[in-house]
Amino acid sequence: GAVVSQHPSWVICKSGTSVKIECRSLDFQATTMFWYRQFPKQSLMLMATSNEGSKATYEQGVEKDKFLINHASLTLSTLTVTSAHPEDSSFYICSAGRLADYEQYFGPGTRLTVT
Amino acid sequence: DQQVKQNSPSLSVQEGRISILNCDYTNSMFDYFLWYKKYPAEGPTFLISISSIKDKNEDGRFTVFLNKSAKHLSLHIVPSQPGDSAVYFCAAPPRAGGTSYGKLTFGQGTILTVHP
Repeated sequence: GAVVSQHPSWVICKSGTSVKIECRSLDFQATTMFWYRQFPKQSLMLMATSNEGSKATYEQGVEKDKFLINHASLTLSTLTVTSAHPEDSSFYICSAGRLADYEQYFGPGTRLTVT
Repeated sequence: DQQVKQNSPSLSVQEGRISILNCDYTNSMFDYFLWYKKYPAEGPTFLISISSIKDKNEDGRFTVFLNKSAKHLSLHIVPSQPGDSAVYFCAAPPRAGGTSYGKLTFGQGTILTVHP
């Protein structure tokens, strides 16, 4: 149990376009999901906390108008990278936690390449 | 402020030997710790955890030790296998009432390479 999926697993887009990444908890309900970004050879950087039915909470330095997060249901959160630029190219990972334990369950990640 | 630190960016070990990955923390309010393993281009997977009421937790080849007075924990892998080669992160959630969770604070990660 506690499976989290992400779609797509990789995406290539042109500069200036927008890309949506989905994160789903497949077998549990997640009132809170987290979005991370990982640059090569670096640690996971928390971008924002996605709360079901309310606005996301963004970490310092993360542009909320550029990285739109929507958590419309207890099993789905989406991250939209708007007006993507090459510097947005990165590995994006979501996670979700169950209320029953401290663990967070991570999705497999999405590789975004902006050309 | 890096509240969870992994000071060794990389570790190289021979197959069959012990791998010891270290993690230090500064926030004395942390009372639960997790280790995650991450392969390239994949999301982290949970490996093992430890509560502050314990000083050791063992699961097969993996053992985590916690030294609260030193604010230090370590992950021991024995015997190490080539398939263990990955990035290992230690992490801590905020203190909570036991049934909730919050955003994890991650260490920087340690790249473990196990040579055949």
